[in-house]
Amino acid sequence: ETGVTQTPRHLVMGMTNKKSLKCEQHLGHNAMYWYKQSAKKPLELMFVYSLEERVENNSVPSRFSPECPNSSHLFLHLHTLQPEDSALYLCASSQEGSAGMKGKLFFGSGTQLSVL
Amino acid sequence: DQQVKQNSPSLSVQEGRISILNCDYTNSMFDYFLWYKKYPAEGPTFLISISSIKDKNEDGRFTVFLNKSAKHLSLHIVPSQPGDSAVYFCAASRVDDKIIFGKGTRLHILP
Repeated sequence: ETGVTQTPRHLVMGMTNKKSLKCEQHLGHNAMYWYKQSAKKPLELMFVYSLEERVENNSVPSRFSPECPNSSHLFLHLHTLQPEDSALYLCASSQEGSAGMKGKLFFGSGTQLSVL
Repeated sequence: DQQVKQNSPSLSVQEGRISILNCDYTNSMFDYFLWYKKYPAEGPTFLISISSIKDKNEDGRFTVFLNKSAKHLSLHIVPSQPGDSAVYFCAASRVDDKIIFGKGTRLHILP
């Protein structure tokens, strides 16, 4: 497989459930991101991991918990979500520190999450 | 406070004509600007970028223009093709590498 792979593609969960989103990148990049895309809103950056260290936590509620066990894998653990958390969750990777790659993110296809 | 604004939610253009997508920004600390394209059920893909030290960058049918004094950039697609129908996101990168996205503009190419 190449690129950035996200699983599952679709997820429906109740407010009391615990679930995890998974992301894997096969590009050899050193940074990984979680973005949230809600209807009629810009892509919102949630978390950034650079060299497996979390460098940004964009005021995200604690019911979202990221995990980056190595440079190729990223998880987003979900618990006690609210209906307003329903959105498309996108994972991305990039090669930081490379002048020719500045700002170039490689996205997965996303997980469409519905919270009932 | 929206730092990157795409004021047109949608745009329809005849096939073969020029498509012009616009983007405004408010933060003068942005040093790099990018356009991403998104098809339904897929993640955004990088399309073209421009450094703040330039005013134009061209790649095939796609050209990005940057007007720093107006804090405005635009993406020109010519000629427009059916496969160009997608949502286009304008994005800006700060010197600390944080990337800010606009809300996107949905482009419809009409036959």
